[in-house]
Amino acid sequence: QVQLVQSGAEVKKPGSSVKVSCKASGGTFSSYAISWVRQAPGQGLEWMGGIIPIFGTANYAQKFQGRVTITADESTSTAYMELSSLRSEDTAVYYCARSVVVVIISGAFDIWGQGTMVTVSS
Amino acid sequence: EIVMTQSPATLSVSPGERATLSCRASQSVSSNLAWYQQKPGQAPRLLIYGASTRATGIPARFSGSGSGTEFTLTISSLQSEDFAVYYCQQYNNWPLFGPGTKVDIK
Repeated sequence: QVQLVQSGAEVKKPGSSVKVSCKASGGTFSSYAISWVRQAPGQGLEWMGGIIPIFGTANYAQKFQGRVTITADESTSTAYMELSSLRSEDTAVYYCARSVVVVIISGAFDIWGQGTMVTVSS
Repeated sequence: EIVMTQSPATLSVSPGERATLSCRASQSVSSNLAWYQQKPGQAPRLLIYGASTRATGIPARFSGSGSGTEFTLTISSLQSEDFAVYYCQQYNNWPLFGPGTKVDIK
């Protein structure tokens, strides 16, 4: 059974960057897309972008274009999400999630990481 | 740009009763619609995808229906563990979630 394990909580200053990791274990990594979804405190879910590791090309939600970079390392079965120019509104729990269907980014997400809290505060 | 809406925002239901949650898309998303359950402090859990296919391990009391722009999640007999927030998500275009419906105890 595939599991996604994310890196720990982060506290960042406004204007800085954060990089969150998501390591897959127990199954196939490269063929399934990994997306990043965030959730601000008390708010809903927001898709940021995704990547299919075997192809290496990421797609991003328009809102985050230019500010987010999603990468994947097949050798370690790990995906990364880096968000730059952080502001207080970026304070949220960041989840990685795997698509149900192979080689498609836009799909339903059947496996989720445990979430990483990122706090942006001066 | 697609807009997803869910109704009601909050649904108060007694244990054992039926719950019906609605999700609407501003334009057709075909059957590319999923439902998730989220409890406080937990990651979302996939319940339904393809509008009506239950995900692995999901109890039969959860069912999904609809296509195009109108979708429904039905919980046939609410159990105590079903009180949570439910999100719909379209993936006909880039993924987009609805605002959620909170199901609480009446």
